[in-house]
Amino acid sequence: EPEVTQTPSHQVTQMGQEVILRCVPISNHLYFYWYRQILGQKVEFLVSFYNNEISEKSEIFDDQFSVERPDGSNFTLKIRSTKLEDSAMYFCASSQRDWGDRELFFGEGSRLTVL
Amino acid sequence: EDQVTQSPEALRLQEGESSSLNCSYTVSGLRGLFWYRQDPGKGPEFLFTLYSAGEEKEKERLKATLTKKESFLHITAPKPEDSATYLCAVQAEGWGSQKLVFGQGTRLTINP
Repeated sequence: EPEVTQTPSHQVTQMGQEVILRCVPISNHLYFYWYRQILGQKVEFLVSFYNNEISEKSEIFDDQFSVERPDGSNFTLKIRSTKLEDSAMYFCASSQRDWGDRELFFGEGSRLTVL
Repeated sequence: EDQVTQSPEALRLQEGESSSLNCSYTVSGLRGLFWYRQDPGKGPEFLFTLYSAGEEKEKERLKATLTKKESFLHITAPKPEDSATYLCAVQAEGWGSQKLVFGQGTRLTINP
């Protein structure tokens, strides 16, 4: 069964450092997303990406965050200067469409710990 | 603001003891309501999408129903492997609105 893969599974970084989280969405999917889940809290939407541009973003997704699809398979989330409050599990997701019976496939997540 | 509230926060059942999980939502216009299962340390796994009041969907021991203000996830004769956190999420109507707004989840434990 096709799946969304994420790397790294866990990253520890110092405050102020740049972090890049990587995702390989399912190959025939067109819509890509990042969500995050702070420990013990709700899953929160960060950003959606379609046709090589951001289609929607949340208030959390400020200038410190950026996304990129550098080639035909990878989808990345960059945090320019990490803060303690960026510690969370980050989930990449993809879907074939944004309407109808839209099944959103999530990856296993990348746990980011900022010290 | 779109909002999703799930109850109870945690539920312990004996194997075979049926029950229901609740998801109450407020949204400007509902495009879809989603149920996911999440195991510890894993990403959410899709279960169902519901679109309109009165709709029902079933999968094995799970049945999801939808009204204009809430959704229920009914679990019939659960087994220990049904233990997980069950998440409810809504997508609002609106051009270009793709995000899902999640509830905090119900942590379900099925004791053998």
